[in-house]
Amino acid sequence: NAGVMQNPRHLVRRRGQEARLRCSPMKGHSHVYWYRQLPEEGLKFMVYLQKENIIDESGMPKERFSAEFPKEGPSILRIQQVVRGDSAAYFCASSPRRDNEQFFGPGTRLTVL
Amino acid sequence: SQKIEQNSEALNIQEGKTATLTCNYTNYSPAYLQWYRQDPGRGPVFLLLIRENEKEKRKERLKVTFDTTLKQSLFHITASQPADSATYLCALDISGTASKLTFGTGTRLQVTL
Repeated sequence: NAGVMQNPRHLVRRRGQEARLRCSPMKGHSHVYWYRQLPEEGLKFMVYLQKENIIDESGMPKERFSAEFPKEGPSILRIQQVVRGDSAAYFCASSPRRDNEQFFGPGTRLTVL
Repeated sequence: SQKIEQNSEALNIQEGKTATLTCNYTNYSPAYLQWYRQDPGRGPVFLLLIRENEKEKRKERLKVTFDTTLKQSLFHITASQPADSATYLCALDISGTASKLTFGTGTRLQVTL
């Protein structure tokens, strides 16, 4: 029973490029959450999706950031025209129900040069 | 605004002793509170969930209390071991819709021999 999978584990981009982060939830989990963790800071909620629907995106910057969770395939967090301030660890979590513990993936560490 | 406070200073204790970590929150009455463990470079791992109608919950060497009057949760690790060394995060759903977790900044626990 595989856990939450994220790839890539490390991603290096130059300013202005696009970053695409993938998350495959645990089997049977239809709720996916994305969080960002800046160095020496806590986890910050970005977006909550449930198959094909964005439920809550209140933590996601209005520009350059988007997320999707298609009917088939992994959830994608997309950052366009990256800037140095986007450098952080991005974690994905999944859960089988809405008010439940969340299972986190290993994270993607994005470095913007 | 909603605040979740955990001791920002590291907690150093001797092996075999009980570690007690504190989580205080303001301006909200969450339906439940969760505790996670995070090791360096890894994603958080769920430990315990306690609901507002529960005073205490136990799991092996772990115990969590939840005082909704004081707006405080205490997390105890009994008979601590060096392997318990990690950062411990508390998390609440402050949205009221079970759509996202808000995390404290965590307390780093160091258990020494």
